[in-house]
Amino acid sequence: EVQLLESGGGFVQPGGSLRLSCAAAGFTFSSSAMTWVRQTPGRGLEWVSSISGGGVGTYYADSVKGRFTISRDNSENTLYLQLNSLRGEDTAVYYCAMWPAEGNWFGPWGQGTLVTVSS
Amino acid sequence: QSVLTQPPSVSGAPGQRVTISCTGRSSNIGAGHDVNWYQQLPRTAPKLLIFGNNNRPSGVPDRFSGSKSGTSASLTITGLQAEDEADYYCQSYDSGLSAWVFGGGSKVTVL
Repeated sequence: EVQLLESGGGFVQPGGSLRLSCAAAGFTFSSSAMTWVRQTPGRGLEWVSSISGGGVGTYYADSVKGRFTISRDNSENTLYLQLNSLRGEDTAVYYCAMWPAEGNWFGPWGQGTLVTVSS
Repeated sequence: QSVLTQPPSVSGAPGQRVTISCTGRSSNIGAGHDVNWYQQLPRTAPKLLIFGNNNRPSGVPDRFSGSKSGTSASLTITGLQAEDEADYYCQSYDSGLSAWVFGGGSKVTVL
């Protein structure tokens, strides 16, 4: 059974940084592209970033480009998202999910980790 | 404002059929990109419900079905049940934005 467990969320001031982690189990992590999606009450679901299985290909939403960095450690079966220069509008629940090679859908998803950016 | 447009809410009595629309444009659904649907039960993470326009992952009941035509797609629940009360989101890829995009979500209420 696929398991994805996010961690690293918390409360941070504007301009601050956080690193989110997503621990994966139950599948061959190095063969699977992964993605981060965030959810806010006001803006619903928003794709944030994706990364290929080998980590070479990375993709970002315009809203986070230059501020967030996606990476992965295939030896540790862990996906990361480094959040820098955080803004209030980055406040959201951040989910990691598998991105199957055969399509443009996402799933399964982790349970999410909450990031709150506020002074 | 979401790139894909969904009605904010849809309701129906148990056993009824309800349909949720998802309207896009020529750079996403109209460009031939597949539409996927997610179900989000209260206080849980989204779950893949329909992929590739009309395919159900293992374990998803066959009362859920998807379709796509032109720049729009639809999710139909045939034989609505109380446990179907949830938020539903459509999702596709937008070539113009080079981004995966979601609808704003539709809340299904079982009367």
